Amino acid sequence: QKEVEQDPGPLSVPEGAIVSLNCTYSNSAFQYFMWYRQYSRKGPELLMYTYSSGNKEDGRFTAQVDKSSKYISLFIRDSQPSDSATYLCAMLGTDKLIFGTGTRLQVFP
Amino acid sequence: GAGVSQSPSNKVTEKGKDVELRCDPISGHTALYWYRQSLGQGLEFLIYFQGNSAPDKSGLPSDRFSAERTGGSVSTLTIQRTQQEDSAVYLCASSFSPEQYFGPGTRLTVT
Repeated sequence: QKEVEQDPGPLSVPEGAIVSLNCTYSNSAFQYFMWYRQYSRKGPELLMYTYSSGNKEDGRFTAQVDKSSKYISLFIRDSQPSDSATYLCAMLGTDKLIFGTGTRLQVFP
Repeated sequence: GAGVSQSPSNKVTEKGKDVELRCDPISGHTALYWYRQSLGQGLEFLIYFQGNSAPDKSGLPSDRFSAERTGGSVSTLTIQRTQQEDSAVYLCASSFSPEQYFGPGTRLTVT
């Protein structure tokens, strides 16, 4: 079993939809939970991160962590075609990030 | 300010040749990471430098892979006697914990 599991998608939604992206993990020692966005042929870009459990909101993006269930989510409200990308979750162990395989999102006009 | 830069952006090499990939991290970031991303795969950790400490090489897939970081800044990843399975995008990230900032990557193709 991988330490971090993420559905690869692809996920295809119409513009304006609410998108939910999720990851599960097995290591209860993880404390920081990150979301990266990666456009085709670009490096990953840090969107936001959360420490421990709870919610964090940044504009149209909300990150949620449920440590009891070992489950994290990223919600995108009012999705736009420019949100089309691969979204990678990542979790910080002692000093290394452990990444999910990424979910490919396509937002069509 | 300037982000993480990597060179070359693309590299095509013949099987058996050595290659060097370069990473210029964000100024002031003491931690530097190398990752490999194969098609349809997540990011695979290769090596981690933190300040003047000995690097964590636990992710290097074979002894053909090595990396160094000079003066706590620029890093070079070297792959000797390249194989076709080394074809991937090699990403460098510099870190101000816990945030890691990635460069654009070097796309390596071994023919």
